[in-house]
Amino acid sequence: AQTVTQSQPEMSVQEAETVTLSCTYDTSESDYYLFWYKQPPSRQMILVIRQEAYKQQNATENRFSVNFQKAAKSFSLKISDSQLGDAAMYFCAYGAGANSKLTFGKGITLSVRP
Amino acid sequence: EADIYQTPRYLVIGTGKKITLECSQTMGHDKMYWYQQDPGMELHLIHYSYGVNSTEKGDLSSESTVSRIRTEHFPLTLESARPSHTSQYLCASSGGAGAPRGSEAFFGQGTRLTVV
Repeated sequence: AQTVTQSQPEMSVQEAETVTLSCTYDTSESDYYLFWYKQPPSRQMILVIRQEAYKQQNATENRFSVNFQKAAKSFSLKISDSQLGDAAMYFCAYGAGANSKLTFGKGITLSVRP
Repeated sequence: EADIYQTPRYLVIGTGKKITLECSQTMGHDKMYWYQQDPGMELHLIHYSYGVNSTEKGDLSSESTVSRIRTEHFPLTLESARPSHTSQYLCASSGGAGAPRGSEAFFGQGTRLTVV
């Protein structure tokens, strides 16, 4: 069975600084997808970034980028120039196959200090 | 903007009452999910569906039941609510005939349920 591990329950970053959130996963599949989701306090869960396992290039979305290490089964999220609005809970997720369900990590709470 | 809706947003109800949490999506997605989440905590998958007339239990045992009679609708029912059911319930959907492989899941705004 696939598992997703986020070992850090909380992190804090100074505004305008860079922070990296860690995620590891375990799978026997060769073709799969990885996601980072953001859940602001009392607000809707939204997708931050998506990575296909067959692509070697790391995905980037504005200030958000990933470090995807397929052999190590590691998928970390880097947030550059952190803003107060980045404060939220972040979930790493895995999906594979046409009928597979998404598997989520336990999440990490990120706080941003002004 | 995601087109997935949950009603009600907040519900306070007495013990023993029957409740149905509604979830609808207009994206034609095949897969739909129900998650249970306590504030600031991890998501627990309680039900999912691959399509019409397909429902399966998730990783966390739940006394709730679901149905999928129409593609767009995936209601969750509790026959007899108890205080232990107090939590937030999130509905999500993903995948469809025109969606690329590995497409993301879209989430509703959630229903915060309090059983008193």
